[in-house]
Amino acid sequence: AQKITQTQPGMFVQEKEAVTLDCTYDTSDPSYGLFWYKQPSSGEMIFLIYQGSYDQQNATEGRYSLNFQKARKSANLVISASQLGDSAMYFCAMREGGRGGADGLTFGKGTHLIIQP
Amino acid sequence: EAGVAQSPRYKIIEKRQSVAFWCNPISGHATLYWYQQILGQGPKLLIQFQNNGVVDDSQLPKDRFSAERLKGVDSTLKIQPAKLEDSAVYLCASSLYRLAGGLYNEQFFGPGTRLTVL
Repeated sequence: AQKITQTQPGMFVQEKEAVTLDCTYDTSDPSYGLFWYKQPSSGEMIFLIYQGSYDQQNATEGRYSLNFQKARKSANLVISASQLGDSAMYFCAMREGGRGGADGLTFGKGTHLIIQP
Repeated sequence: EAGVAQSPRYKIIEKRQSVAFWCNPISGHATLYWYQQILGQGPKLLIQFQNNGVVDDSQLPKDRFSAERLKGVDSTLKIQPAKLEDSAVYLCASSLYRLAGGLYNEQFFGPGTRLTVL
């Protein structure tokens, strides 16, 4: 079973609109962290936002916020007031805490977001 | 602060040839990761080092892939012999040592090496 599922292969959004990118995850570990990364066409992975499984509040970083619904195992990324520079691939990733020192990330397949003027 | 460095940026080889990639992590980062990103997919962890020791290589195809981090700083990833399905971007990432129980441990990624196997 996939651990991270991103169901939107691609999205087109008008500039200045808000956009929600979906992410659901699967783990039996009570301790885990969820990450969102942006990957522009240049290829580098850019960290956007983090949510820990025990965090009481949804994470926010500037125009990015994470809609964390633990019971539904979803961690959707919300980008407010989208800009042309937001066009990129977006990846949801998870780290599970019960693996000792092994803390590599498990990534979803990504969503290709295109912002239209 | 310099980021994660990788070389070469691009490599084209024929199947059954050998290839090596190099990574220099951010200074002071004890943990180093190699990921493989096939076109249209998310990165997949190949191996994780803590200083010069292997922490996780459960997804490394050990019959053809090898990696080392001899002095706990730079790392090399080798493929020998390469197959067509090895065509991908190989990403190196590094992070500070994670305190026990801490889940937030940001990984900083390098620009990647794009490998094409013909």
